[in-house]
Amino acid sequence: DQQVKQNSPSLSVQEGRISILNCDYTNSMFDYFLWYKKYPAEGPTFLISISSIKDKNEDGRFTVFLNKSAKHLSLHIVPSQPGDSAVYFCAASASYQGAQKLVFGQGTRLTINP
Amino acid sequence: GAVVSQHPSWVICKSGTSVKIECRSLDFQATTMFWYRQFPKQSLMLMATSNEGSKATYEQGVEKDKFLINHASLTLSTLTVTSAHPEDSSFYICSARDLGPNQFFGPGTRLTVL
Repeated sequence: DQQVKQNSPSLSVQEGRISILNCDYTNSMFDYFLWYKKYPAEGPTFLISISSIKDKNEDGRFTVFLNKSAKHLSLHIVPSQPGDSAVYFCAASASYQGAQKLVFGQGTRLTINP
Repeated sequence: GAVVSQHPSWVICKSGTSVKIECRSLDFQATTMFWYRQFPKQSLMLMATSNEGSKATYEQGVEKDKFLINHASLTLSTLTVTSAHPEDSSFYICSARDLGPNQFFGPGTRLTVL
């Protein structure tokens, strides 16, 4: 059972435009969500996170939106830059699980075209 | 801040040998460390959670006698793949968490078993 889903395996965006990556989850106990960026043969790099008490968090070009009723979150990158080309993973955790294990989505490969 | 290192970055070994991978948090004390593996074009799969000074908690389907985890200090965890076989070839990634909810990932170790 895939508790965190990224239904788009790939996304291609023109440089300078907005990139929107989507993520859906099924476990209503998840209360903390993160986005990671990953290059091949490297570990994931933390980008931005959001707690379930918020519906938006912004950090520079990155904004994460959370819609709890729809169990959906999205990452907006604007403006998109060539260096943003990577695989993006969303992850979720539930604080009732003391160690706060992360459950990852399958990832979306973002390609920014010049 | 929040730098996590892994060593080695890649290793090739013969079938039947054991391989040890180190994970270190360089600038913070990690209360909890996690070990993941990633197969090509797939998501990160949590293998086990380890807390300093206690036994690791393994995810369902992960053989604890094959993947030995030691979390000897607040900055070091090791994963030993015992009697490695070709099917153990994968990308192994560790992460570390301090008192906050975010996990910070190491660069990963590519294991190839011949």
